[in-house]
Amino acid sequence: AQKITQTQPGMFVQEKEAVTLDCTYDTSDPSYGLFWYKQPSSGEMIFLIYQGSYDQQNATEGRYSLNFQKARKSANLVISASQLGDSAMYFCAMRDSTGFQKLVFGTGTRLLVSP
Amino acid sequence: DSGVTQTPKHLITATGQRVTLRCSPRSGDLSVYWYQQSLDQGLQFLIQYYNGEERAKGNILERFSAQQFPDLHSELNLSSLELGDSALYFCASSVGGTGGAVETQYFGPGTRLLVL
Repeated sequence: AQKITQTQPGMFVQEKEAVTLDCTYDTSDPSYGLFWYKQPSSGEMIFLIYQGSYDQQNATEGRYSLNFQKARKSANLVISASQLGDSAMYFCAMRDSTGFQKLVFGTGTRLLVSP
Repeated sequence: DSGVTQTPKHLITATGQRVTLRCSPRSGDLSVYWYQQSLDQGLQFLIQYYNGEERAKGNILERFSAQQFPDLHSELNLSSLELGDSALYFCASSVGGTGGAVETQYFGPGTRLLVL
């Protein structure tokens, strides 16, 4: 069964600095997808970035990039030039290997950006 | 705004009661997923519907049921509610949901359920 591990319960970063949120995963399926979602205090889940297991390049979306290291089974989220609005919970998720689209989530990392 | 809508935003009810949560997927999306987020269990997949038919089932209790209607909106019915059912319930949607290609799921704002 798949598992997503986020070992950082909380992270602090100063505004304008970069921060890396860790995510490791476990799967025996050669084809999989990894996602990052942001959950602000208001509660909604916002899709940030996606990485496919066969993608040759690391995914990037604006200030978000994914440091994908397949051999190490890690998919860390890098946020560059942090902003106060980046303060939120961040969840790493993986598509289930049963062939269905359901997502398996990690426990999340709470990021606090200070001025 | 993801394009997925959920109503109501908040729901307060008593133990033993029944409630219905409603979700409208993004325009063009055929799959609807329901997830539960609670403090002790984290985010868990409950059930998926694709074009009106149940597609995948997760950790959904027997007291819970869902359906997807011809207009593709979905309802999650929770009955005989217990204190432990208090959680944030999310609906998500994706374009397809039945093939091998991985699809991005877009989440609605959630319904926060409090059972007293």
